[in-house]
Amino acid sequence: NAGVTQTPKFRILKIGQSMTLQCTQDMNHNYMYWYRQDPGMGLKLIYYSVGAGITDKGEVPNGYNVSRSTTEDFPLRLELAAPSQTSVYFCASRAGTGFTFGSGTRLTVV
Amino acid sequence: GQQVMQIPQYQHVQEGEDFTTYCNSSTTLSNIQWYKQRPGGHPVFLIQLVKSGEVKKQKRLTFQFGEAKKNSSLHITATQTTDVGTYFCAGPNTGNQFYFGTGTSLTVIP
Repeated sequence: NAGVTQTPKFRILKIGQSMTLQCTQDMNHNYMYWYRQDPGMGLKLIYYSVGAGITDKGEVPNGYNVSRSTTEDFPLRLELAAPSQTSVYFCASRAGTGFTFGSGTRLTVV
Repeated sequence: GQQVMQIPQYQHVQEGEDFTTYCNSSTTLSNIQWYKQRPGGHPVFLIQLVKSGEVKKQKRLTFQFGEAKKNSSLHITATQTTDVGTYFCAGPNTGNQFYFGTGTSLTVIP
């Protein structure tokens, strides 16, 4: 099993550009999450999903959108990128207990 | 809203010394989870505590959940260089959101 796969691993965006961070899991987990981690900081919840077709906002949803059309995939969309969105983005999934995290996407907005 | 705070933010220890990080929540938690993130890596699930006053051990790591289920601690006995990283606690709110603590960064000096 691959677990949680995130692509791309690195990306540089210009201010105002848009992109989609991909996340897929092969563990048939219902719950999926997007977190961002700023340097030296903890993880902030952006969006989460409890199952296909259901999404909800976390602590810091502004500037982001998500969709959950299948159990496996949970893409995160950035519209009109801003320097404040420079961060490392982690996708995670879980069944009943702990999260399984992807390896992250390091995004820089210049 | 719910807040999960950790202290200390940073800890430097000599190899062989003990280390403890403390996690405090502003609300009662149904459970608490602990994660380890190596430098440049992603968080990895260590353990989940559910019961009031629960104590669990994993080799040199001892995890405790407070009687009031609002605080928790992770203690590492006789640290090794492989223990280097940031340790996070995480707790759920009334929904399916999980809030991560601010993390404690551990440096082990050989």
